[in-house]
Amino acid sequence: QSVLTQPPSVSAAPGQKVTISCSGISSNTGNSFVSWYQRLPGTAPKLLVYENVKRPSGIPDRFSGSRSATSATLDITGLQTGDEADYYCGTWDTSAGLYVFGSGTEVTVL
Amino acid sequence: QVQLQESGPGLVKPSETLSLTCSVSGGSINPYFWGWIRQSPGKGLEWIAYMYYSGGTKYNPSLESRVSISLDVPKKQVSLKLRSVTAADTAVYYCARGSGLYHYHYYMDVWGKGTTVTVSS
Repeated sequence: QSVLTQPPSVSAAPGQKVTISCSGISSNTGNSFVSWYQRLPGTAPKLLVYENVKRPSGIPDRFSGSRSATSATLDITGLQTGDEADYYCGTWDTSAGLYVFGSGTEVTVL
Repeated sequence: QVQLQESGPGLVKPSETLSLTCSVSGGSINPYFWGWIRQSPGKGLEWIAYMYYSGGTKYNPSLESRVSISLDVPKKQVSLKLRSVTAADTAVYYCARGSGLYHYHYYMDVWGKGTTVTVSS
């Protein structure tokens, strides 16, 4: 069972927006920076967002992250069929002393 | 463009030791963390361990008694050993490069494609 809670799935039509939540507690999402990873079918996970809001070079600004208290959010705007993937949040848990991941969210483009 | 390639046996017998290697190409070992993550069938991602380029290590407490990670800087290879494996260790194992000034900054910015390991007799 994952330490961080994400909705199992979200969906929207092309061009629309989806929001993926990542809920934790004070020792993880409440205290450490959150990252988001995208795993397209059959490929390695890819970093989308780090330190809550920053995007690596090459990641379009359609992907944006935020954090408030013990929850983090990934917004995907202008949804494209190529965005169909599993999305995971991750952060360091200072109490448990390890990196923890969310349960994962499957994004479907209708 | 940094690339990571995992390698190792796809099948390991119960109670034996799982050994994996990750080869780094197109970039430097320093000043990064190098680690392993796995995903068992039907389950989420599980962080296993990392090693800093200068030698510090950190392990998942639930696996710490069975796992070790090492780094061969000249060869640019990261290795993972997991002892006394059981069927529960069947998973896709990923190698990843980590960044971040402190633990609470930590994130993984380059991943390998993963290698599937099955534990079965």
